[in-house]
Amino acid sequence: SQQGEEDPQALSIQEGENATMNCSYKTSINNLQWYRQNSGRGLVHLILIRSNEREKHSGRLRVTLDTSKKSSSLLITASRAADTASYFCATDPTGGGNKLTFGTGTQLKVEL
Amino acid sequence: ETGVTQTPRHLVMGMTNKKSLKCEQHLGHNAMYWYKQSAKKPLELMFVYSLEERVENNSVPSRFSPECPNSSHLFLHLHTLQPEDSALYLCASSQRVNTEAFFGQGTRLTVV
Repeated sequence: SQQGEEDPQALSIQEGENATMNCSYKTSINNLQWYRQNSGRGLVHLILIRSNEREKHSGRLRVTLDTSKKSSSLLITASRAADTASYFCATDPTGGGNKLTFGTGTQLKVEL
Repeated sequence: ETGVTQTPRHLVMGMTNKKSLKCEQHLGHNAMYWYKQSAKKPLELMFVYSLEERVENNSVPSRFSPECPNSSHLFLHLHTLQPEDSALYLCASSQRVNTEAFFGQGTRLTVV
């Protein structure tokens, strides 16, 4: 079964608003990563947060990790039309071997 | 441009054909991956190579055959595929297994 599940499946906001996406996972992890994918293209790594970290920032991105709830959130502030894409979380499970496991993603649409 | 190059970008093949997908990275990474992305499904990990050794084979049908001749190149040999194998095939590499992954643009495969 998949490890990471993103919520919501789809999100539509206006330019300038903030977008929040959530990821839940099932087992203990070494790290959790967020990726972005433009339609039909490859994934682009956004940010990695380790299991002993609670929050991380990169530009307009803010990621939080709550290992007690097995969940993470990705916040994009002051969104732009160019942020329109699918966003995926991926987990590196402890004892999980060589598997970086992805969820189904959140489709974000930022409208002008 | 992520440093991971996949060819071809698009491929249409019949069920009796034999074809190969190619992936190349010059990032000095030690791990390489094949993923399959179908509509409405999570990214499926197919194969993982670490230092040219296959370390993960995720119950993939034998009609898919990977080859890693050196740390910079990864192939996926295809033969007698089924229409349900039509998908976007993504190659990725990372410094070590399960760390930040760099993806290629993918090969859009259609089996007719």
